[in-house]
Amino acid sequence: QSALTQPASVSGSPGQSITISCTGTSSDVGIYGLVSWFQQHPGKAPKLMIYEVSKRPSGVSNRFSGAKSASTASLTISGLQAEDEADYYCSSYAVGHTVLFGGGTKVTVL
Amino acid sequence: QVQLVQSGPEVKKPGASVKVSCKASGYTFNSYGITWVRQAPGQGLQWMGWISGYNGNTDYAQKFQGRVTMTTDTATSTAYMELRSLKFDDTAVYYCARIYCDGGSCHSNWFDPWGQGTLVTVSS
Repeated sequence: QSALTQPASVSGSPGQSITISCTGTSSDVGIYGLVSWFQQHPGKAPKLMIYEVSKRPSGVSNRFSGAKSASTASLTISGLQAEDEADYYCSSYAVGHTVLFGGGTKVTVL
Repeated sequence: QVQLVQSGPEVKKPGASVKVSCKASGYTFNSYGITWVRQAPGQGLQWMGWISGYNGNTDYAQKFQGRVTMTTDTATSTAYMELRSLKFDDTAVYYCARIYCDGGSCHSNWFDPWGQGTLVTVSS
């Protein structure tokens, strides 16, 4: 299976909202409600931000929200802050008992 | 707090094997599994597979089948990932992460938390 498709970069000013898309197919995002989003700061391990499309783990700010429509998932960061500058990866469970990741999106806070 | 601590960096020659450990603490080991994900320098994340902490069931990504073995030691709450026949493009940071499981089945991408990562360098 191919990786999920994400934009290479997204930017926004402090306080703004940004949305990162994650496009899959009918073999992954389109049929499973198992989309996760991970945040990774440089040199650090990834951190789970969203699971099962729209659920937030304990401790994750409610400025992060997830959604899905057909085969495209999205992560929205509202009230953008300097600390949100990082790489973001989407992930989906897929046919064949496998897990796919997107190529990653670099978020820049202007 | 829930924590995963991985073993230190490794340098291996092509054709050799590497075994990375991941020691868990702060939760009941056999109630979850451990998944392994790698990240080549400057690249994205690549899922390798998982192992159930409940019964040792495994599921490997097709790309690594025949070359990877994941095991656990429940007495020490430690998971291991062995990768054989190393190639130059296996150079990467290897991460372990706790994965949600339903008994011996870990068909999920709920990965939380992650270990600090182990750099494996394949060099002649």
